[in-house]
Amino acid sequence: EIVLTQSPGTLSLSPGERATLSCRASQSVSSSYLAWYQQKPGQAPRLLIYGASSRATGIPDRFSGSEFGTDFTLTISRLEPEDFAVYYCQQYGISPLTFGGGTKVEIK
Amino acid sequence: QVQLVESGGGVVQPGRSLRLSCAASGFTFSSYAMHWVRQAPGKGLEWVALISYDGSNKYYADSVKGRFTISRDNSKNTLYLQMNSLRLEDTAVYYCARDLPYSNRPYYMDVWGKGTTVSVSS
Repeated sequence: EIVLTQSPGTLSLSPGERATLSCRASQSVSSSYLAWYQQKPGQAPRLLIYGASSRATGIPDRFSGSEFGTDFTLTISRLEPEDFAVYYCQQYGISPLTFGGGTKVEIK
Repeated sequence: QVQLVESGGGVVQPGRSLRLSCAASGFTFSSYAMHWVRQAPGKGLEWVALISYDGSNKYYADSVKGRFTISRDNSKNTLYLQMNSLRLEDTAVYYCARDLPYSNRPYYMDVWGKGTTVSVSS
Protein backbone atom coordinates (compact mmCIF):
# COMPACT_ATOMS: atom_id res chain seq x y z
CA GLU A 1 0.00 0.00 0.00
CA ILE A 2 1.15 3.54 -0.78
CA VAL A 3 1.57 5.70 2.34
CA LEU A 4 0.98 9.43 1.86
CA THR A 5 2.63 11.81 4.32
CA GLN A 6 1.27 15.35 4.43
CA SER A 7 3.15 18.31 5.86
CA PRO A 8 2.92 20.49 7.74
CA GLY A 9 0.23 19.23 10.06
CA THR A 10 -1.01 22.77 10.60
CA LEU A 11 -0.35 25.91 8.56
CA SER A 12 -1.13 29.27 10.20
CA LEU A 13 -1.56 32.02 7.64
CA SER A 14 -3.44 35.26 7.07
CA PRO A 15 -6.00 35.94 4.33
CA GLY A 16 -4.24 37.02 1.16
CA GLU A 17 -1.13 34.94 1.86
CA ARG A 18 0.09 32.01 -0.22
CA ALA A 19 -0.35 28.47 1.12
CA THR A 20 1.89 25.59 0.08
CA LEU A 21 0.84 22.11 1.20
CA SER A 22 2.96 19.01 0.69
CA CYS A 23 2.05 15.35 0.13
CA ARG A 24 4.86 12.80 -0.17
CA ALA A 25 4.21 9.27 -1.43
CA SER A 26 6.11 6.23 -0.14
CA GLN A 27 6.50 4.99 -3.72
CA SER A 28 5.83 6.17 -7.22
CA VAL A 29 2.21 7.07 -7.97
CA SER A 30 1.47 5.83 -11.46
CA SER A 31 0.10 8.18 -14.09
CA SER A 32 -0.01 11.12 -11.64
CA TYR A 33 -3.03 9.54 -10.03
CA LEU A 34 -3.30 11.92 -7.07
CA ALA A 35 -6.24 14.01 -5.89
CA TRP A 36 -6.70 16.79 -3.34
CA TYR A 37 -9.81 17.44 -1.23
CA GLN A 38 -10.93 20.25 1.05
CA GLN A 39 -13.00 19.55 4.16
CA LYS A 40 -14.61 22.12 6.42
CA PRO A 41 -15.90 21.28 9.93
CA GLY A 42 -19.11 19.26 9.84
CA GLN A 43 -19.05 18.98 6.06
CA ALA A 44 -18.19 16.29 3.54
CA PRO A 45 -14.92 16.58 1.62
CA ARG A 46 -14.92 18.43 -1.70
CA LEU A 47 -12.78 17.47 -4.68
CA LEU A 48 -10.31 20.20 -5.66
CA ILE A 49 -7.69 18.59 -7.87
CA TYR A 50 -7.34 15.28 -9.74
CA GLY A 51 -4.56 13.91 -11.92
CA ALA A 52 -2.14 15.87 -9.69
CA SER A 53 -2.83 19.19 -11.46
CA SER A 54 -6.31 19.28 -13.03
CA ARG A 55 -8.87 21.44 -11.25
CA ALA A 56 -12.28 19.92 -10.62
CA THR A 57 -15.40 21.63 -11.94
CA GLY A 58 -16.08 24.96 -10.28
CA ILE A 59 -12.79 25.18 -8.39
CA PRO A 60 -11.24 28.67 -8.49
CA ASP A 61 -7.93 29.07 -10.26
CA ARG A 62 -6.20 30.19 -7.06
CA PHE A 63 -5.97 26.45 -6.35
CA SER A 64 -3.24 24.62 -8.25
CA GLY A 65 -1.51 21.26 -8.01
CA SER A 66 1.92 20.08 -9.06
CA GLU A 67 4.21 17.08 -8.75
CA PHE A 68 7.91 16.27 -8.74
CA GLY A 69 8.64 12.58 -8.52
CA THR A 70 6.87 11.30 -5.40
CA ASP A 71 6.30 14.81 -4.03
CA PHE A 72 2.99 16.51 -4.68
CA THR A 73 2.06 20.10 -3.83
CA LEU A 74 -1.21 21.95 -3.47
CA THR A 75 -0.83 25.71 -3.73
CA ILE A 76 -3.44 28.31 -2.83
CA SER A 77 -2.14 31.51 -4.37
CA ARG A 78 -4.05 33.99 -2.19
CA LEU A 79 -6.04 32.68 0.76
CA GLU A 80 -9.67 33.70 0.92
CA PRO A 81 -11.61 33.46 4.23
CA GLU A 82 -13.47 30.40 2.94
CA ASP A 83 -10.21 28.52 2.26
CA PHE A 84 -9.43 27.88 5.92
CA ALA A 85 -10.08 24.17 6.22
CA VAL A 86 -8.39 20.76 6.28
CA TYR A 87 -6.87 19.46 3.06
CA TYR A 88 -6.29 15.80 2.17
CA CYS A 89 -4.36 14.17 -0.64
CA GLN A 90 -5.41 10.77 -2.01
CA GLN A 91 -3.67 8.40 -4.39
CA TYR A 92 -5.52 6.18 -6.82
CA GLY A 93 -2.63 4.60 -8.65
CA ILE A 94 -2.79 1.37 -6.69
CA SER A 95 -5.54 -0.28 -4.68
CA PRO A 96 -6.15 0.14 -1.82
CA LEU A 97 -6.81 3.83 -2.22
CA THR A 98 -5.07 5.77 0.51
CA PHE A 99 -5.36 9.27 1.96
CA GLY A 100 -2.80 11.44 3.63
CA GLY A 101 -3.30 12.47 7.24
CA GLY A 102 -4.37 15.99 6.32
CA THR A 103 -3.08 19.55 6.66
CA LYS A 104 -5.13 22.09 8.58
CA VAL A 105 -4.92 25.64 7.23
CA GLU A 106 -5.89 27.97 10.04
CA ILE A 107 -6.17 31.72 10.38
CA LYS A 108 -3.13 33.30 11.95
CA GLN B 1 -28.99 18.61 -8.87
CA VAL B 2 -26.56 15.77 -8.22
CA GLN B 3 -27.19 14.41 -4.75
CA LEU B 4 -26.20 11.50 -2.53
CA VAL B 5 -28.08 10.87 0.72
CA GLU B 6 -26.86 8.27 3.19
CA SER B 7 -29.02 6.57 5.80
CA GLY B 8 -29.01 3.60 8.15
CA GLY B 9 -26.46 4.73 10.69
CA GLY B 10 -26.97 4.31 14.41
CA VAL B 11 -25.65 2.84 17.64
CA VAL B 12 -24.85 -0.87 17.57
CA GLN B 13 -23.09 -3.31 19.88
CA PRO B 14 -19.79 -4.95 18.92
CA GLY B 15 -20.30 -8.08 16.85
CA ARG B 16 -23.66 -6.98 15.50
CA SER B 17 -24.60 -5.95 11.96
CA LEU B 18 -25.83 -2.80 10.24
CA ARG B 19 -26.73 -1.93 6.65
CA LEU B 20 -26.13 1.52 5.24
CA SER B 21 -27.90 2.90 2.18
CA CYS B 22 -27.07 5.74 -0.17
CA ALA B 23 -29.80 7.15 -2.41
CA ALA B 24 -28.56 8.83 -5.57
CA SER B 25 -30.36 11.43 -7.68
CA GLY B 26 -29.64 13.97 -10.38
CA PHE B 27 -27.36 11.75 -12.47
CA THR B 28 -27.38 8.37 -14.20
CA PHE B 29 -26.48 6.22 -11.21
CA SER B 30 -26.03 3.04 -13.24
CA SER B 31 -23.17 4.64 -15.19
CA TYR B 32 -20.94 5.41 -12.21
CA ALA B 33 -18.72 3.42 -9.88
CA MET B 34 -19.40 4.23 -6.23
CA HIS B 35 -17.37 4.35 -3.02
CA TRP B 36 -17.82 4.19 0.72
CA VAL B 37 -15.34 6.29 2.69
CA ARG B 38 -15.32 6.70 6.48
CA GLN B 39 -13.96 9.15 9.01
CA ALA B 40 -13.49 8.23 12.66
CA PRO B 41 -14.19 11.02 15.18
CA GLY B 42 -11.45 13.65 14.96
CA LYS B 43 -9.48 11.59 12.44
CA GLY B 44 -8.71 11.61 8.73
CA LEU B 45 -10.40 9.93 5.80
CA GLU B 46 -10.24 6.17 5.22
CA TRP B 47 -11.37 4.52 2.01
CA VAL B 48 -13.62 1.51 2.67
CA ALA B 49 -14.88 0.00 -0.59
CA LEU B 50 -15.72 0.55 -4.25
CA ILE B 51 -18.18 -1.13 -6.58
CA SER B 52 -18.01 -0.75 -10.33
CA TYR B 53 -20.86 0.81 -12.29
CA ASP B 54 -22.40 -2.57 -13.13
CA GLY B 55 -21.56 -4.30 -9.86
CA SER B 56 -19.16 -6.74 -11.51
CA ASN B 57 -16.06 -5.56 -9.63
CA LYS B 58 -15.66 -4.84 -5.94
CA TYR B 59 -12.65 -3.61 -3.98
CA TYR B 60 -12.20 -3.44 -0.22
CA ALA B 61 -9.81 -2.02 2.34
CA ASP B 62 -8.00 -4.73 4.29
CA SER B 63 -9.55 -3.43 7.51
CA VAL B 64 -13.06 -4.42 6.37
CA LYS B 65 -12.42 -7.30 3.98
CA GLY B 66 -14.49 -10.34 4.90
CA ARG B 67 -16.79 -8.31 7.20
CA PHE B 68 -18.28 -5.62 4.94
CA THR B 69 -20.04 -6.10 1.60
CA ILE B 70 -20.70 -3.34 -0.91
CA SER B 71 -23.59 -3.75 -3.32
CA ARG B 72 -25.92 -1.70 -5.50
CA ASP B 73 -29.38 -1.78 -7.01
CA ASN B 74 -29.31 0.25 -10.19
CA SER B 75 -33.08 -0.05 -10.60
CA LYS B 76 -33.46 1.81 -7.28
CA ASN B 77 -30.49 4.18 -7.70
CA THR B 78 -29.21 2.96 -4.37
CA LEU B 79 -25.82 1.92 -2.99
CA TYR B 80 -25.48 -0.31 0.07
CA LEU B 81 -22.89 -1.28 2.64
CA GLN B 82 -23.62 -4.39 4.70
CA MET B 83 -21.47 -4.29 7.82
CA ASN B 84 -21.12 -7.49 9.85
CA SER B 85 -19.05 -8.35 12.93
CA LEU B 86 -18.76 -4.68 13.81
CA ARG B 87 -15.86 -3.56 15.97
CA LEU B 88 -15.31 -0.53 18.17
CA GLU B 89 -12.86 0.81 15.58
CA ASP B 90 -15.61 0.88 12.92
CA THR B 91 -17.12 3.88 14.68
CA ALA B 92 -17.12 6.69 12.11
CA VAL B 93 -19.08 8.90 9.78
CA TYR B 94 -19.64 6.89 6.61
CA TYR B 95 -19.79 8.79 3.33
CA CYS B 96 -20.87 7.49 -0.04
CA ALA B 97 -19.13 9.11 -2.97
CA ARG B 98 -19.20 8.95 -6.76
CA ASP B 99 -16.27 7.80 -8.90
CA LEU B 100 -15.83 8.08 -12.65
CA PRO B 101 -18.37 6.84 -15.20
CA TYR B 102 -17.91 3.31 -16.52
CA SER B 103 -14.84 2.67 -14.40
CA ASN B 104 -14.03 -0.83 -13.20
CA ARG B 105 -11.37 0.20 -10.72
CA PRO B 106 -11.09 2.92 -8.06
CA TYR B 107 -10.14 6.45 -9.05
CA TYR B 108 -11.23 9.53 -7.11
CA MET B 109 -14.46 10.91 -5.63
CA ASP B 110 -16.12 13.90 -7.31
CA VAL B 111 -19.46 13.97 -5.46
CA TRP B 112 -19.98 13.18 -1.77
CA GLY B 113 -22.98 12.69 0.45
CA LYS B 114 -23.26 14.36 3.86
CA GLY B 115 -22.58 11.09 5.68
CA THR B 116 -24.29 8.87 8.23
CA THR B 117 -22.87 8.17 11.69
CA VAL B 118 -22.17 4.65 12.94
CA SER B 119 -21.30 4.21 16.60
CA VAL B 120 -20.18 0.81 17.82
CA SER B 121 -20.43 0.67 21.57
CA SER B 122 -21.17 -1.85 24.29
